[in-house]
Amino acid sequence: KQEVTQIPAALSVPEGENLVLNCSFTDSAIYNLQWFRQDPGKGLTSLLLIQSSQREQTSGRLNASLDKSSGRSTLYIAASQPGDSATYLCAVRVGNTPLVFGKGTRLSVIA
Amino acid sequence: KAGVTQTPRYLIKTRGQQVTLSCSPISGHRSVSWYQQTPGQGLQFLFEYFSETQRNKGNFPGRFSGRQFSNSRSEMNVSTLELGDSALYLCASRGGDLATDTQYFGPGTRLTVL
Repeated sequence: KQEVTQIPAALSVPEGENLVLNCSFTDSAIYNLQWFRQDPGKGLTSLLLIQSSQREQTSGRLNASLDKSSGRSTLYIAASQPGDSATYLCAVRVGNTPLVFGKGTRLSVIA
Repeated sequence: KAGVTQTPRYLIKTRGQQVTLSCSPISGHRSVSWYQQTPGQGLQFLFEYFSETQRNKGNFPGRFSGRQFSNSRSEMNVSTLELGDSALYLCASRGGDLATDTQYFGPGTRLTVL
């Protein structure tokens, strides 16, 4: 059974700092991995999708990497801003099964 | 392109009642999934529909049911509500390719059971 773990559960950083969020998964036979952002009480916003054949994806200040063999992904946020404060979730898809989510990392960027 | 829409956005019910939530996917998307999100359990998968057929089902009691219509719109029903059903219910849609298609989420329906 696929399990997804995100460490740390919460993170507080000063504005301008570069930071890394971690995601690990137990079954490496994934189709893809997605990173989402969720603001309090809101739905999820898709940030990046990495296919199993890819090593990384970039969007603006965000860069996500994938190492299938070790069951790890990282989300790198450059030059963090207070508007980046949110919960970040990673999710993996294995075959024709639903996305399996981690519990998320709650990020606070302090001005 | 319009995003995933969910109605209603907020709902207050009492124990024993039933509730129906609605989800309209992004135009052209045939897959609709439902998730329950609570502070303690995180995001838990309820079910997925593809072209009006239930493709996957999560580990929830039979009080939770759903369906999908020919226009891909989906409804979720919860009967005999319990206090523990209070949660944010999220709907998501995607296209047909499992490997490459991003899953897009709606804003959710906040259900409170009193």
